[in-house]
Amino acid sequence: GAVVSQHPSWVICKSGTSVKIECRSLDFQATTMFWYRQFPKQSLMLMATSNEGSKATYEQGVEKDKFLINHASLTLSTLTVTSAHPEDSSFYICSARRQQVGDTEAFFGQGTRLTVV
Amino acid sequence: GEDVEQSLFLSVREGDSSVINCTYTDSSSTYLYWYKQEPGAGLQLLTYIFSNMDMKQDQRLTVLLNKKDKHLSLRIADTQTGDSAIYFCAVSGGSYIPTFGRGTSLIVHP
Repeated sequence: GAVVSQHPSWVICKSGTSVKIECRSLDFQATTMFWYRQFPKQSLMLMATSNEGSKATYEQGVEKDKFLINHASLTLSTLTVTSAHPEDSSFYICSARRQQVGDTEAFFGQGTRLTVV
Repeated sequence: GEDVEQSLFLSVREGDSSVINCTYTDSSSTYLYWYKQEPGAGLQLLTYIFSNMDMKQDQRLTVLLNKKDKHLSLRIADTQTGDSAIYFCAVSGGSYIPTFGRGTSLIVHP
């Protein structure tokens, strides 16, 4: 159990367009989902934390108008990269935490490789 | 904020033990994790340890925690080629939001 699925696994888009990435918890309800960005040979940078039904909390330096996060249900969060530019090309990973008190484990999706041309 | 450091590369021979080290700065860190990332994939939780533990063993994996030195290590016994991956150390406090190190690339050669 505890599977998190991201879609798509990879996407290529033209500069100026928007791209939506989905993160789904397949067999559990996730009160909190996290979005990370990973640069080559770098650590995971937390972009934002989203709680179901409320606005996402963005980390310092992350543009909320650029990276739109919607956590519409307990099993789905979406990240939309708006007006994408080549510098937005990166590996985006989501993780989800179960709706259980004291449950510390976050389960990760397989990541989405975004390439903006 | 929390700072997590780990060496970037480790090369071992197949069958040997691998030891990946990690240091962190926040002494109030409560949960300490090791994740594995294979090429082009997400992160897989390997194991974790609570700050009130010194050691945790899970089959070929042994985690050692030295709270005084804020040092965490992951030992992989009998390392296999399938263990080649990037290993991330991560720590978190009461918020349960982990801070990650930059990852250690483990290369296992025959």
